[in-house]
Amino acid sequence: NAGVTQTPKFQVLKTGQSMTLQCAQDMNHEYMSWYRQDPGMGLRLIHYSVGAGITDQGEVPNGYNVSRSTTEDFPLRLLSAAPSQTSVYFCASSYSLTDGQYFGPGTRLTVT
Amino acid sequence: AQSVTQPDIHITVSEGASLELRCNYSYGATPYLFWYVQSPGQGLQLLLKYFSGDTLVQGIKGFEAEFKRSQSSFNLRKPSVHWSDAAEYFCAVGADTGNQFYFGTGTSLTVIP
Repeated sequence: NAGVTQTPKFQVLKTGQSMTLQCAQDMNHEYMSWYRQDPGMGLRLIHYSVGAGITDQGEVPNGYNVSRSTTEDFPLRLLSAAPSQTSVYFCASSYSLTDGQYFGPGTRLTVT
Repeated sequence: AQSVTQPDIHITVSEGASLELRCNYSYGATPYLFWYVQSPGQGLQLLLKYFSGDTLVQGIKGFEAEFKRSQSSFNLRKPSVHWSDAAEYFCAVGADTGNQFYFGTGTSLTVIP
């Protein structure tokens, strides 16, 4: 199993550009989520999904969109990048809330 | 609202010494509790979890944690720290209400020879 994969590993955007961070898992997990990690703030939930076709907002959803058309994939879209979105982004998946999450290696995004 | 507090931002221990990382949570029902470790430049790895049963749980890499409902705590322990344990440690709670995981802000562990 590849586990949770994320692409790209690094990305630099200019303010106003859009892009999609890719996330895929091969463990047939229903629960998937996106977090951003900033120094001193831990992980903050952006969006999550409890199954294909179902998504919901987390703590910091503004400026981000998600969709879940398949169990395997959960892309995160930045609509119009802003310097405040400079961060490390992690995708995670889980069988259930009691199971703990499997994390991808992260995407380091810089917005100039 | 659910929350997780890790009171120690940074801890330094000597190699071979014991370790305890503190975690307190706020959640009305029985929580699902987790500890994760993050090495520099890496994603998070699950160390251990608790959701029912024995309140002392064993994890990978020689770690254990104890759930104390009366103190709303889930502290992580290791009897003898190795240099390779230097990393960031995160406590998290899974909440049925809202169907979300909530993370603490992390504790950075430095191990000195």
